[in-house]
This record gives sequence, C-alpha cells and structure tokens, in this order.
Amino acid sequence: KAGVTQTPRYLIKTRGQQVTLSCSPISGHRSVSWYQQTPGQGLQFLFEYFSETQRNKGNFPGRFSGRQFSNSRSEMNVSTLELGDSALYLCASSLDSRQGAYEQYFGPGTRLTVT
Amino acid sequence: QKEVEQNSGPLSVPEGAIASLNCTYSDRGSQSFFWYRQYSGKSPELIMFIYSNGDKEDGRFTAQLNKASQYVSLLIRDSQPSDSATYLCAVNIGPSGTYKYIFGTGTRLKVLA
Repeated sequence: KAGVTQTPRYLIKTRGQQVTLSCSPISGHRSVSWYQQTPGQGLQFLFEYFSETQRNKGNFPGRFSGRQFSNSRSEMNVSTLELGDSALYLCASSLDSRQGAYEQYFGPGTRLTVT
Repeated sequence: QKEVEQNSGPLSVPEGAIASLNCTYSDRGSQSFFWYRQYSGKSPELIMFIYSNGDKEDGRFTAQLNKASQYVSLLIRDSQPSDSATYLCAVNIGPSGTYKYIFGTGTRLKVLA
C-alpha cells in the first residue's frame, strides 16, 4: 500500500508570497493532520481534518489554513509568508480516530524556505 | 510545564545494550501514546503505539505505559548503530475522540559500535 505523499518536496518563496502544499493520505485513511517542524520548536500541530471538516486546530495564526477534499486529499495554505515560516511541513494520516485507530503515519514532508 | 517532556540527550549506549527512553505528559485524560523514530533529514516513522497500561512488545522494542505516573517509555533491546536517531514521544491529548497530537522535542540516541 502506498504511503502518504506530499508535494512539492522542496519550495523556495519570498516574504509576502503565499504557498499551497498538498498531501495525499494512505488509501482508506480519512484523517489528515498537518505539522510544522523547526529545529527550535520541534513538531508543532497545525490542524486536523476528517471528512472535509477541521476537527482541531493548533496555536498558529490565521495565515495558516487548510482544507480537505472528498477523496481525503488535503492542502494547507500559508499566506503572507514570513521568514519564520521556513520549516519542514509534515502531513500525517490515520485510519479513523473515532474507532480507536489513532496511529498516524507521516509523509516525507515539504521543506519550505522563505527568503 | 510542557505538555510532553523528553530528555533531549544525547543518550549514548554501546552496541548490544538496552536503550531506555522516557517521556512524561501532563494531561491525565490522554489516551493514546506513540513513539516515532526520526533520522536526520527524514520524516518521523511510527515504531510503537500503546493505549493501555503495561508493556507492549514488538520485536526489539517494548513500550511501557504508566498512566498513574503519567509516563511512557521505550526500551530498545540489542541496540544497533542503525538505531541511532531522534526518538519522538507523541501523546493524543485529551479524552478519547480528541484529535490533537502533542510531540515531545525528542531524545537523540547514539548507539556506539
């Protein structure tokens, strides 16, 4: 079974621009979570989607947004990029948290560099 | 107090020894606990999960959960140099049905050949 895929893998953007990252979960997985990983802060939870609905959100500004499509694929968007947004953005999918299958599997990540 | 705490290390163990990694969490309502391994430049890889008090074994790995003391640990038996990585503890914060996962900052393990 194919794992979680993320595109693009690498991205370089300029301050003030916006960016959209894409995530395709493992087939059959309905929950998708997004994380930001930086050396200083570690893995920080951004938000989680299930059946096209955001169920939980971390402590990030409104510039960070996401959505999920009917096929469970998800996108996250960051508007008005700041230098501090440079990070590895990770997507993780899980089968169905409501039935106790809480295990999350990560994609390879998108490395975003803001200059 | 951080929600999930780990010693950053590095924890150095000789090849063949048992590596013991620990994690404490603050939310007593947490239900699910996970250990991930992350190699430098790679994404986290799930290696163990545990939902009930006690021990859970999978190959060379054993996860231990003690909800009363709010800690979860990972034992790696017969440690190999390939086990050298950062180990992340993750906790599903809150009661069952809460979908927020909090990660510790990780413990760097070095297995010396």
